[in-house]
Amino acid sequence: SQQGEEDPQALSIQEGENATMNCSYKTSINNLQWYRQNSGRGLVHLILIRSNEREKHSGRLRVTLDTSKKSSSLLITASRAADTASYFCATDNDYKLSFGAGTTVTVRA
Amino acid sequence: NAGVTQTPKFRVLKTGQSMTLLCAQDMNHEYMYWYRQDPGMGLRLIHYSVGEGTTAKGEVPDGYNVSRLKKQNFLLGLESAAPSQTSVYFCASSATSGSTGELFFGEGSRLTVL
Repeated sequence: SQQGEEDPQALSIQEGENATMNCSYKTSINNLQWYRQNSGRGLVHLILIRSNEREKHSGRLRVTLDTSKKSSSLLITASRAADTASYFCATDNDYKLSFGAGTTVTVRA
Repeated sequence: NAGVTQTPKFRVLKTGQSMTLLCAQDMNHEYMYWYRQDPGMGLRLIHYSVGEGTTAKGEVPDGYNVSRLKKQNFLLGLESAAPSQTSVYFCASSATSGSTGELFFGEGSRLTVL
């Protein structure tokens, strides 16, 4: 069963705006990862945050993790058309990752 | 460097036919995975392997078989295809356990079962 659930399911923003999406999960984790999927392509790893970390940055990406609330957020700042994609959170489960259903982000020019 | 390569990219089958999807990685990764992606369902793990010669069931293994005879290859077989197996299949690999390191994905194999 899926561990993480992203919210919202879909998001439409203007170029230059920030995009925020959330991930909630049910059981304790060691780490949480975020992936991006462009239409018709495979998933690409964006960032991994460990359970003892609260915030992590990578370029225009900012990820937070609140283990007490079992939730994470992904913020994309100053969005670009190229950020149009689906974004998935993934939580660890023994040797494998469990993915949520994703948030589809559309960046309008 | 190719990374993770899946073949074929597209396939149409009739109900009851069999086929094999091939995944090849050139990164010397120990761990390999097969996921299926359906609209609104995200990715669901079918089978995975933690090293050459090993396989294990994931979340939705029924109707599929796998083999990892060589470290670089992970094969997914459908013995008797059903319309419910219409999906996009993704192979992924990782150097360490998927729970501790990033997964590298192939571009997907789109399968339609009529």
